Amino acid sequence: KQEVTQIPAALSVPEGENLVLNCSFTDSAIYNLQWFRQDPGKGLTSLLLIQSSQREQTSGRLNASLDKSSGRSTLYIAASQPGDSATYLCAVALYQLTFGKGTKLSVIP
Amino acid sequence: EADIYQTPRYLVIGTGKKITLECSQTMGHDKMYWYQQDPGMELHLIHYSYGVNSTEKGDLSSESTVSRIRTEHFPLTLESARPSHTSQYLCASSETRTGSDEQFFGPGTRLTVL
Repeated sequence: KQEVTQIPAALSVPEGENLVLNCSFTDSAIYNLQWFRQDPGKGLTSLLLIQSSQREQTSGRLNASLDKSSGRSTLYIAASQPGDSATYLCAVALYQLTFGKGTKLSVIP
Repeated sequence: EADIYQTPRYLVIGTGKKITLECSQTMGHDKMYWYQQDPGMELHLIHYSYGVNSTEKGDLSSESTVSRIRTEHFPLTLESARPSHTSQYLCASSETRTGSDEQFFGPGTRLTVL
């Protein structure tokens, strides 16, 4: 059974810092990996999707990498802003999405 | 604008009531999903559908039922709500024909059963 772990569970950084969020998964047989953002009490916003054949995807200040063989993905956020404060979720897909518990990010002005 | 909608956003009801949570998408996606999320916990898949007249149960056992009579509509029904059903319910959709299968989520329904 696929298990997804996100470390750290919570992270607090000053505004302007670059940061990395980590995601690991136990079964490398995946179809794709998605990173989401969730604001308190809200739904999920899709940030980046990496297909299993890809190594990374970029969108604005966000860059996600995928190393399928080692079961790891990272989400890099450049020049963090207070508006980036949210919970970031990693999910891996084979026939369905399996989610991690997320990393709660606080960016301090 | 292509989007995914859920109503109601918040619902507080008494034990034993029948409720239906609505989910509609205007993105033309073929697959739709229902997830349940308790505070601070992972999302768990409770139902999904590959298309009209197709419904399957997810990993998390649920007393709810779903239907898919129209491509754009995927309602979830609880015949008799109980306090253990208190949770956030999230609907999502994806397009498999392009090969992406990227999932897009609605804003969620927060259900409280007293």
